[in-house]
Amino acid sequence: DGGITQSPKYLFRKEGQNVTLSCEQNLNHDAMYWYRQDPGQGLRLIYYSQIVNDFQKGDIAEGYSVSREKKESFPLTVTSAQKNPTAFYLCASSIGRDSPSIPLHFGNGTRLTVT
Amino acid sequence: SQKIEQNSEALNIQEGKTATLTCNYTNYSPAYLQWYRQDPGRGPVFLLLIRENEKEKRKERLKVTFDTTLKQSLFHITASQPADSATYLCAYINAGNMLTFGGGTRLMVKP
Repeated sequence: DGGITQSPKYLFRKEGQNVTLSCEQNLNHDAMYWYRQDPGQGLRLIYYSQIVNDFQKGDIAEGYSVSREKKESFPLTVTSAQKNPTAFYLCASSIGRDSPSIPLHFGNGTRLTVT
Repeated sequence: SQKIEQNSEALNIQEGKTATLTCNYTNYSPAYLQWYRQDPGRGPVFLLLIRENEKEKRKERLKVTFDTTLKQSLFHITASQPADSATYLCAYINAGNMLTFGGGTRLMVKP
């Protein structure tokens, strides 16, 4: 079955540590996205990538970094510079950004808790 | 600024009734609106897309309307079932060509 795999499901880190969240897709989609979800708030876009070796900042990129070395993979690093890192992180993909009517396919998220 | 808003209060209805969820947007006229379902601890799942020139779209027990005058989309679930209990998110493509999500409305269908 094609889909998006995020790992791990739950992640705990101490304040001041960087942490990397994994996202892999086998849908052969060009575009990939990272969103953050906080209780009662809509999904907010962190970073997106339309093609390998290229990515763009979303609305809340500060304190985060990404890479897109392979089409299938789009890892997100939450750095110690991110002031409020505790959240539910969702990775998504779509066929291509130039087709805005095409829906997003989401993974099942990683819940990050930083103490 | 562009905003998309959903009722943050949970909607509680009895099994068999029709659930109606509202999505309002301001300061923008999107060409498309999408609706997603999200279960606790899971990622959203796409349900329906409606274009600005479509007044209504149906899929099984689901119906979405798009009123560009009122700047509103309504999402209906007829003959609701407890399995329909979830959070429903609306989203549109903003001026930057990116999907912008509302905060979601939680639906609880009681047997």
